[in-house]
Amino acid sequence: GEDVEQSLFLSVREGDSSVINCTYTDSSSTYLYWYKQEPGAGLQLLTYIFSNMDMKQDQRLTVLLNKKDKHLSLRIADTQTGDSAIYFCAESGNQGGKLIFGQGTELSVKP
Amino acid sequence: NAGVTQTPKFRILKIGQSMTLQCAQDMNHNYMYWYRQDPGMGLKLIYYSVGAGITDKGEVPNGYNVSRSTTEDFPLRLELAAPSQTSVYFCASGRNLAGETEQYFGPGTRLTVT
Repeated sequence: GEDVEQSLFLSVREGDSSVINCTYTDSSSTYLYWYKQEPGAGLQLLTYIFSNMDMKQDQRLTVLLNKKDKHLSLRIADTQTGDSAIYFCAESGNQGGKLIFGQGTELSVKP
Repeated sequence: NAGVTQTPKFRILKIGQSMTLQCAQDMNHNYMYWYRQDPGMGLKLIYYSVGAGITDKGEVPNGYNVSRSTTEDFPLRLELAAPSQTSVYFCASGRNLAGETEQYFGPGTRLTVT
């Protein structure tokens, strides 16, 4: 079945770049997503990438997709303390409107 | 637009009690979802609906029921609450357009069963 894996924790210094990685299993996924969850809140869509793209850039965010290795990454440039949150990777698979989420990566940004 | 709203924000239940978690959306989305989030476990899909009158089981449906009588509302019912149902519950809504499934999440309901 479909599965999405992420490392659980990442710690960086303010001003550094953060790279959050994700692997997925369903090669039929049309879209892949990055969501952000701040403490005590619901998930908020950060960005997504269509499966026929290799890269998508949106201000400080860069998404890289390696379809051959089924690997997705999110790079946050000039990471700020306000970027501290849990980041979830998700794939659409062939689920008819359902998403499969990873476990989430907790990003801690130290001043 | 209020987006996706959930009530209550917090609730404590005793084992064996029942309750309904409310969810409403005002974006005219056809898809709605219920997830539970346990620490370090990500989100698990409980039930989802592709439109009024249609519901289907997700990954972890046991102990829960849903109904979808209108496009806007998607309540989740817990019968005979158990400690294993202690979790944070998120409702979401979205459209499914050519495989693109952006989901909008509510703020969550934190439920404790003791």
